[in-house]
Amino acid sequence: TQLLEQSPQFLSIQEGENLTVYCNSSSVFSSLQWYRQEPGEGPVLLVTVVTGGEVKKLKRLTFQFGDARKDSSLHITAAQPGDTGLYLCAGTYYYGNNRLAFGKGNQVVVIP
Amino acid sequence: NAGVTQTPKFQVLKTGQSMTLQCAQDMNHNSMYWYRQDPGMGLRLIYYSASEGTTDKGEVPNGYNVSRLNKREFSLRLESAAPSQTSVYFCASSEMGLAGNEQFFGPGTRLTVL
Repeated sequence: TQLLEQSPQFLSIQEGENLTVYCNSSSVFSSLQWYRQEPGEGPVLLVTVVTGGEVKKLKRLTFQFGDARKDSSLHITAAQPGDTGLYLCAGTYYYGNNRLAFGKGNQVVVIP
Repeated sequence: NAGVTQTPKFQVLKTGQSMTLQCAQDMNHNSMYWYRQDPGMGLRLIYYSASEGTTDKGEVPNGYNVSRLNKREFSLRLESAAPSQTSVYFCASSEMGLAGNEQFFGPGTRLTVL
C-alpha cells in the first residue's frame, strides 16, 4: 500500500501554461517535502512544509500543505522546459522519525 | 563541498557475483540511507543508519547488507546478485531538524544483473 499517492502520474503541457500536481494521504505527517529529479540524476530537495495550511513560494513554484497535514499540492506558473522532471513528495510520519515515505512521483514534461 | 558521492556510476554483474556500492557524504550528517528506484515502484528504502554505529532494515532489505564504516561512509553490499536487483541505487544523508528529515541524494549507481 502506497502511503502517499501522487496525481496525475504523467502530465505534458506547453511552455507558458500553468499546472498543479497533487500528493495525498490518509496519514498525518509532521512535515512534507517536495523533490525534483531529472533523468540520470538523484532527487534534489525543493522545499519542506511543516505547518498545516502553509504556503511556500519558490520563484514560479507554489507549494501548499493541507490544513490537516495529510496532503500537499505543487503549482507551477508559466511553466518552462527547465521545469521538466519527476516531482516526488515525501513525508515524515512523526517528528524524530528517520524514515521518509515517498510517493511514486508526478512526471512533468514541458514542451517548448 | 561535494555533498553525497557514490561509486561506481554504472556496473554490470553476472548472476551470483558480489559487489559493494560505496557512498560518502561531507555534510557531517548523522543519518544515511540506501534506496533503490525501479520504474513504477518509486523510491524504496533498503537500509538506513540513524547514526554512526547503528543500522536498520527498510522496506526491501533481502539480498543486501550494509556497513556504516564511519560518520562519512555507508556502503551497500550485494553478496550474490540476482536479476531482480537490477535497479538504480541512491544513497542519501540527512540531519533531523525542525524541518523534519530533509535528505540529500547522491547521483546514483545504475546496476544491471545479467
